[in-house]
Amino acid sequence: EAGVTQSPTHLIKTRGQQATLRCSPISGHTSVYWYQQALGLGLQFLLWYDEGEERNRGNFPPRFSGRQFPNYSSELNVNALELEDSALYLCASNKNFWVGGTEAFFGQGTRLTVV
Amino acid sequence: RKEVEQDPGPFNVPEGATVAFNCTYSNSASQSFFWYRQDCRKEPKLLMSVYSSGNEDGRFTAQLNRASQYISLLIRDSKLSDSATYLCVSSPDTGRRALTFGSGTRLQVQP
Repeated sequence: EAGVTQSPTHLIKTRGQQATLRCSPISGHTSVYWYQQALGLGLQFLLWYDEGEERNRGNFPPRFSGRQFPNYSSELNVNALELEDSALYLCASNKNFWVGGTEAFFGQGTRLTVV
Repeated sequence: RKEVEQDPGPFNVPEGATVAFNCTYSNSASQSFFWYRQDCRKEPKLLMSVYSSGNEDGRFTAQLNRASQYISLLIRDSKLSDSATYLCVSSPDTGRRALTFGSGTRLQVQP
């Protein structure tokens, strides 16, 4: 069974540009989480999508946004990139709590570098 | 106060030592807890689930203390390969809250 897949693996953008990161969850998982991890720091919660809706967002500015598609894959968009947005962006998926699953599994991440 | 708090470490221990990490959580309604392991510049991987009073998997033992609102991870007979960051995670009390990750505790096992 395929795990969580993220694309691209690496992304280099210049300041002010927009970045789009993609995530495909494990088959059967309806929840997708996005996290930012700057070098040497812990995971910072960005967004949570469940069954196509944004359920919760972390303490990030509105230029961080995303969506979840009917097939439960997800996109994270970062507008007006700043140098401090350089980080590893991790996506995780799990089953909806109501169908008995809670463990989340991570993709390998997208390393975004803003120059 | 953070919802899930961990001592960032690092914990430097010799091979063969026993080491324990604690993690405290503030949401008394949290139902499930997990320990993840993250190697440098890699994604976190699920190490153990802690659903009730705790569980054991080989050299690893996780305990849950609901009265004091903490979970612990005990690693016996530490190996060099155990060097990593260990993340504590709490699960929502309902289906409508995201998982909450601690910032992690770094373990360095030395020869």
